[in-house]
Amino acid sequence: EDQVTQSPEALRLQEGESSSLNCSYTVSGLRGLFWYRQDPGKGPEFLFTLYSAGEEKEKERLKATLTKKESFLHITAPKPEDSATYLCAVLNTGGFKTIFGAGTRLFVKA
Amino acid sequence: EAQVTQNPRYLITVTGKKLTVTCSQNMNHEYMSWYRQDPGLGLRQIYYSMNVEVTDKGDVPEGYKVSRKEKRNFPLILESPSPNQTSLYFCASRALGGGDNEQFFGPGTRLTVL
Repeated sequence: EDQVTQSPEALRLQEGESSSLNCSYTVSGLRGLFWYRQDPGKGPEFLFTLYSAGEEKEKERLKATLTKKESFLHITAPKPEDSATYLCAVLNTGGFKTIFGAGTRLFVKA
Repeated sequence: EAQVTQNPRYLITVTGKKLTVTCSQNMNHEYMSWYRQDPGLGLRQIYYSMNVEVTDKGDVPEGYKVSRKEKRNFPLILESPSPNQTSLYFCASRALGGGDNEQFFGPGTRLTVL
């Protein structure tokens, strides 16, 4: 069964304190792994798609990496505006069903 | 502006009273999907549609119906809502083929069934 597990459930950082969020996945065949950001009361907002092990993508203070079993979202020198829930999801090779993890709630204190 | 819209945004209803949540996208996307989001469980897929008149079940389809008569619209129907369908619902769309396969999400509909 396809499954996505994110850890930790919640993470509290001081402004400037770098850290990483983890996304472990099992899928029959990976077509893509996605990271989304979700602010309270809003729909998820797309950040990255990763397709194969070894791939990396960056956007401002965020960097996503992918291995055959997990993905990491590295946050470098976070700011309070980075506070949000970060969601990981996988799309299987059928290309039609997306499985989401439960998310990591990130709090960045000034 | 490219967007996915949902209506209503908030709805309080009673058990057994049929309701429809509308979803519309203006990006000419082939693929549309409905999710529910519950604390600790993340987003779970209810139904998806590959194109007009083509729909399929996601992971939690029980108690829901959908239709795709037009490419831009994908309504979610609850024929006889029950309290366990109280949740936050999101509609999403994406293009098939090319790009990052990213989904564009609507703003959400918060449903309470009493």
